[in-house]
Amino acid sequence: DGGITQSPKYLFRKEGQNVTLSCEQNLNHDAMYWYRQDPGQGLRLIYYSQIVNDFQKGDIAEGYSVSREKKESFPLTVTSAQKNPTAFYLCASSMGTGSYEQYFGPGTRLTVT
Amino acid sequence: AQSVAQPEDQVNVAEGNPLTVKCTYSVSGNPYLFWYVQYPNRGLQFLLKYITGDNLVKGSYGFEAEFNKSQTSFHLKKPSALVSDSALYFCAVRTDLDAGNNRKLIWGLGTSLAVNP
Repeated sequence: DGGITQSPKYLFRKEGQNVTLSCEQNLNHDAMYWYRQDPGQGLRLIYYSQIVNDFQKGDIAEGYSVSREKKESFPLTVTSAQKNPTAFYLCASSMGTGSYEQYFGPGTRLTVT
Repeated sequence: AQSVAQPEDQVNVAEGNPLTVKCTYSVSGNPYLFWYVQYPNRGLQFLLKYITGDNLVKGSYGFEAEFNKSQTSFHLKKPSALVSDSALYFCAVRTDLDAGNNRKLIWGLGTSLAVNP
């Protein structure tokens, strides 16, 4: 899992509550990513950031928000507007978005009831 | 359209036999291709990548992959499978530049590899 930490590993929330997932990296990587993984659907990109104070929407950004105030940190907020938030969330980082491989954190499994 | 496909949801192989996990892709420019492995309830681990050069790429844990431009494929191989290789394998391809001058990875849906003792 490299130098990327995600916390907590398991998270439980009631419907209607916002929740923030933490992602920290000590690899000095410029780019960071958030993915959602559901059974049979592979990885879907939520948001990504190529540099501090800048980020772009991925394929399924609705109902999510991010910030990138520090190079090391890229927290993801799952808002109450996300219709189906229960999933496994993966954070990743890379030196850049070109030929560089992404390094993944261990993931956070979010359950909303 | 840019895409990546892993045509097999599951691959079963006996321990000691060679294994192949298939991946095909579609991008406009030169393909940058990646293979990752995921063990249950864990993040993904990078195995290998093809950027340019030799069509046979060697990676971690004895895995290799063969880039075939004419068939637009990047199949993952290992000469002798281990039970511990049982996991979920993902192929990914880097996208072309978008309107915002950004690139991302497009991911296959994954192939579950089961190596039987």
